[in-house]
Amino acid sequence: DAKTTQPNSMESNEEEPVHLPCNHSTISGTDYIHWYRQLPSQGPEYVIHGLTSNVNNRMASLAIAEDRKSSTLILHRATLRDAAVYYCILCSGSARQLTFGSGTQLTVLP
Amino acid sequence: NAGVTQTPKFQVLKTGQSMTLQCAQDMNHEYMSWYRQDPGMGLRLIHYSVGAGITDQGEVPNGYNVSRSTTEDFPLRLLSAAPSQTSVYFCASSYSAAYGYTFGSGTRLTVV
Repeated sequence: DAKTTQPNSMESNEEEPVHLPCNHSTISGTDYIHWYRQLPSQGPEYVIHGLTSNVNNRMASLAIAEDRKSSTLILHRATLRDAAVYYCILCSGSARQLTFGSGTQLTVLP
Repeated sequence: NAGVTQTPKFQVLKTGQSMTLQCAQDMNHEYMSWYRQDPGMGLRLIHYSVGAGITDQGEVPNGYNVSRSTTEDFPLRLLSAAPSQTSVYFCASSYSAAYGYTFGSGTRLTVV
């Protein structure tokens, strides 16, 4: 499986936008870019995913670089409840499961 | 509510005991998988299934068995519990890689 690289931790101020980066230089053409988050003592939660184009949903936006070798998860207005570990995962079209890395621990400061 | 249901939420086992962790989903998802998460670590894949009757091993399958007799259910069996299996276990399901995965709330297992 292609690997992703994320910063171990990031901080953000409450009510400000947060940009979480992910590098995936070995991505293949059939790999979807998935983002999940895990709040303390909870199971992972789906955030967003995309293939080539930028994606928006009620939780976040996903900006995908033109060469697809990197992507950014954008939380438009961070709240304290957004403090979590955020995982960027590549999932090929033929894959049957997700492979988790270590993720980015997001701390939101009041 | 639609989703992935895991039971029990908590379990304490003695070394050598066996048990089954239950996972059920009502979304008609073909793909189901089991992960374990040790303290301070990421999730590691134990077993997965792409449909009824079809299962395969993940990264850490030793000590665990699975079967998939229906689309809805994907139980995980611990044959002879060991302290190294103390962990939080998550079940997940999806239509495919083109869709997001839904996770259960987890089973916290302690083996003493």
